[in-house]
Amino acid sequence: DVKVTQSSRYLVKRTGEKVFLECVQDMDHENMFWYRQDPGLGLRLIYFSYDVKMKEKGDIPEGYSVSREKKERFSLILESASTNQTSMYLCASSLNFLTGRTYEQYFGPGTRLTVT
Amino acid sequence: GQQVMQIPQYQHVQEGEDFTTYCNSSTTLSNIQWYKQRPGGHPVFLIQLVKSGEVKKQKRLTFQFGEAKKNSSLHITATQTTDVGTYFCAGLRGSTLGRLYFGRGTQLTVWP
Repeated sequence: DVKVTQSSRYLVKRTGEKVFLECVQDMDHENMFWYRQDPGLGLRLIYFSYDVKMKEKGDIPEGYSVSREKKERFSLILESASTNQTSMYLCASSLNFLTGRTYEQYFGPGTRLTVT
Repeated sequence: GQQVMQIPQYQHVQEGEDFTTYCNSSTTLSNIQWYKQRPGGHPVFLIQLVKSGEVKKQKRLTFQFGEAKKNSSLHITATQTTDVGTYFCAGLRGSTLGRLYFGRGTQLTVWP
């Protein structure tokens, strides 16, 4: 059974702290994604990666960075957390356009981050 | 800006009534996918449509992809309380290596 795991379900951090959100997938997927989900705004893409050490900005990359040193792991970093980054963060993975016939995304359970 | 528009944002129905959500893209899509997110859960893939004019059914759910591959709809016949959740469409554009453009979702509430 396919699986995407995220390091924490709930996280509370203080303004200005550096925050690491970790995501691991066991499906050997090339693509990995970080989204944030806020009421009424749907899923907004922060960053995605289509290969190890490769990254692409999504729609809202400001205030975030990412790291992908291994194929199965994709980290989201908030360099200096702010209250407007309080949100639900969802990680997802999928096959690559070139290697897969379907590109359905598999989501992790999410991390609800509160910045105070 | 929003690449894929989805309406309505909210829909409240009585159990047994039908429900439809619509997606519209400003550009032609390679395919469109639909996801369901139950309250407190994460999005789960439902289906993918690839061909122009394609129609697929899953029990009471009917999915359509427009002839121009710019719009899509999900129709649920005779809703049940188990249909509660948020339904997202997501479009794939040809050269984006699997990046999906999600609609904002339609939150469905079903009254018993």
